[in-house]
Amino acid sequence: GQNIDQPTEMTATEGAIVQINCTYQTSGFNGLFWYQQHAGEAPTFLSYNVLDGLEEKGRFSSFLSRSKGYSYLLLKELQMKDSASYLCAPGGDTGFQKLVFGTGTRLLVSP
Amino acid sequence: GAGVSQSPRYKVAKRGQDVALRCDPISGHVSLFWYQQALGQGPEFLTYFQNEAQLDKSGLPSDRFFAERPEGSVSTLKIQRTQQEDSAVYLCASSEDRGETQYFGPGTRLLVL
Repeated sequence: GQNIDQPTEMTATEGAIVQINCTYQTSGFNGLFWYQQHAGEAPTFLSYNVLDGLEEKGRFSSFLSRSKGYSYLLLKELQMKDSASYLCAPGGDTGFQKLVFGTGTRLLVSP
Repeated sequence: GAGVSQSPRYKVAKRGQDVALRCDPISGHVSLFWYQQALGQGPEFLTYFQNEAQLDKSGLPSDRFFAERPEGSVSTLKIQRTQQEDSAVYLCASSEDRGETQYFGPGTRLLVL
């Protein structure tokens, strides 16, 4: 079966750093995606990790440990527009990226 | 270039009515996915197409749900005899190939009364 665990909600202030954790158990694994979703909008791609380690992309970084079934998304220099849900999605090893999404972490950035 | 587009953006249906939701993927994208997203939840996989072939439909909740992509581009998700529990946002995503990043459309918000 598939099991993805993320905190439901987090709050932070503008300019701060926040780390959103994700643990997963999946049958087969082919990399892990992070998506951002603003209320009422489509998920937008943030990052993809297939190897262990840290991938940095501007203000956002993503880390993966395959042996621990663990990933995190690190957001630096938070801005108000970063208030959104952040979805962790491991891809399945089924010959295509069969994404299994968690319920997402709703991040609220306050002034 | 244009992203994934979906229509209609909003659909209100009476219980028992049939609905058809359309997805236009990014031009040239081989893979196309449908997801269902209930309020406060993450998207849940429904079905996957590679070109015109439907290779995985394991997420379709019942035989009332049917998807097609006859020419390998535009796809339609059809729901027959809609029920209230079908109310959700239906997201379409496409990718260049089967292992690549998926790009999502804006979704169709379906409300069944």
